Amino acid sequence: AQKVTQAQTEISVVEKEDVTLDCVYETRDTTYYLFWYKQPPSGELVFLIRRNSFDEQNEISGRYSWNFQKSTSSFNFTITASQVVDSAVYFCALSEAGNNNDMRFGAGTRLTVKP
Amino acid sequence: GAVVSQHPSWVICKSGTSVKIECRSLDFQATTMFWYRQFPKQSLMLMATSNEGSKATYEQGVEKDKFLINHASLTLSTLTVTSAHPEDSSFYICSATFGAGGGDEQYFGPGTRLTVT
Repeated sequence: AQKVTQAQTEISVVEKEDVTLDCVYETRDTTYYLFWYKQPPSGELVFLIRRNSFDEQNEISGRYSWNFQKSTSSFNFTITASQVVDSAVYFCALSEAGNNNDMRFGAGTRLTVKP
Repeated sequence: GAVVSQHPSWVICKSGTSVKIECRSLDFQATTMFWYRQFPKQSLMLMATSNEGSKATYEQGVEKDKFLINHASLTLSTLTVTSAHPEDSSFYICSATFGAGGGDEQYFGPGTRLTVT
């Protein structure tokens, strides 16, 4: 069964600091998909990124970047020059190609960015 | 595009009553809809997966008779919490996908906060 581990329960940084959120996953499938979602206090999930298992290229989107490494089964997320608006709970999730789209979420990391 | 709505956004009900939550895909036809439950400060836990016109597939430990899921059309799925109890108080989130394979992006609704008194 697929599994996602986000070891960092809570992280607190000061504005403008860089912060990396860790995500480690387990799967037996060779084809799978990894996701990151942001959940602000309102509760609505905000989609950030999806990567498939065949694409290990790192991705950058503005202040956000993702480092996908199959060798260590990790899909880490870095926020550069953090801002107060980045404060939220961030979830990493995994979906296996042969598993009817079932998505399994990590426990989440609560990020607090202080001014 | 790909907007999913939920109604109501919050509901308070008395113990022993039933409450229905609607999940609608507003601008696409959803082949599959998912229901998640999220307790305070916890992660999202998949409750069930439903395809239009067929019975929902429930995750282990989720009571089928308590959480009734109906997916009557390609744009609407409903979750009915029957004989609700305080321990059912939670944030219920639905999602929908129009893909046919694993890994298709799920579009999430805004969630419904249920409080059972």
